[in-house]
Amino acid sequence: GENVEQHPSTLSVQEGDSAVIKCTYSDSASNYFPWYKQELGKRPQLIIDIRSNVGEKKDQRIAVTLNKTAKHFSLHITETQPEDSAVYFCAASNRVTGGGNKLTFGTGTQLKVEL
Amino acid sequence: DGGITQSPKYLFRKEGQNVTLSCEQNLNHDAMYWYRQDPGQGLRLIYYSQIVNDFQKGDIAEGYSVSREKKESFPLTVTSAQKNPTAFYLCASTPGRKTPNEQFFGPGTRLTVL
Repeated sequence: GENVEQHPSTLSVQEGDSAVIKCTYSDSASNYFPWYKQELGKRPQLIIDIRSNVGEKKDQRIAVTLNKTAKHFSLHITETQPEDSAVYFCAASNRVTGGGNKLTFGTGTQLKVEL
Repeated sequence: DGGITQSPKYLFRKEGQNVTLSCEQNLNHDAMYWYRQDPGQGLRLIYYSQIVNDFQKGDIAEGYSVSREKKESFPLTVTSAQKNPTAFYLCASTPGRKTPNEQFFGPGTRLTVL
């Protein structure tokens, strides 16, 4: 099955700096790569996703890059703000026959943005 | 609020008891999922269902059971066979189209075994 590794497990940055979180996956058939943000005690919420036919996607201060050859993808947050502090999860997905998709998650990165 | 509800928010169980966690969605989604979240381990898939009256085991199905009698409901039973059930349980749903799509999560149920 799919295996997703994520690092670092914790990341501390100064407000205004950039943050980068990296993930690798094992299954070359994976074709969908979402990133979720989870605040303490709350549900994960999608912040950005990328499909295997795209190399980069950007949404304001957030960007994701995908290298299919190397099987890794990264989340980039620029101009970090205190409200960016949360746990971030990457995931990789294979489409399941008949519809839907199985997500395999990384172990998460605790991002702390310091004033 | 995302259209997915889970109840209860907190649940306490004595050892040896079965408990059922509720998950309901009004998004008309075909596919539904159950994940377990432990500290430092991310989310792990327990069971998923692509259509009514059908479901498949995920990566950690032992000690759990599910049913999918209605499109909008996907309850999870944690049985006494689950050795370490204390965790945060998250339900999710997705439209179930052929192209992978965002999974929408419920607010979660925190289960504690006393």
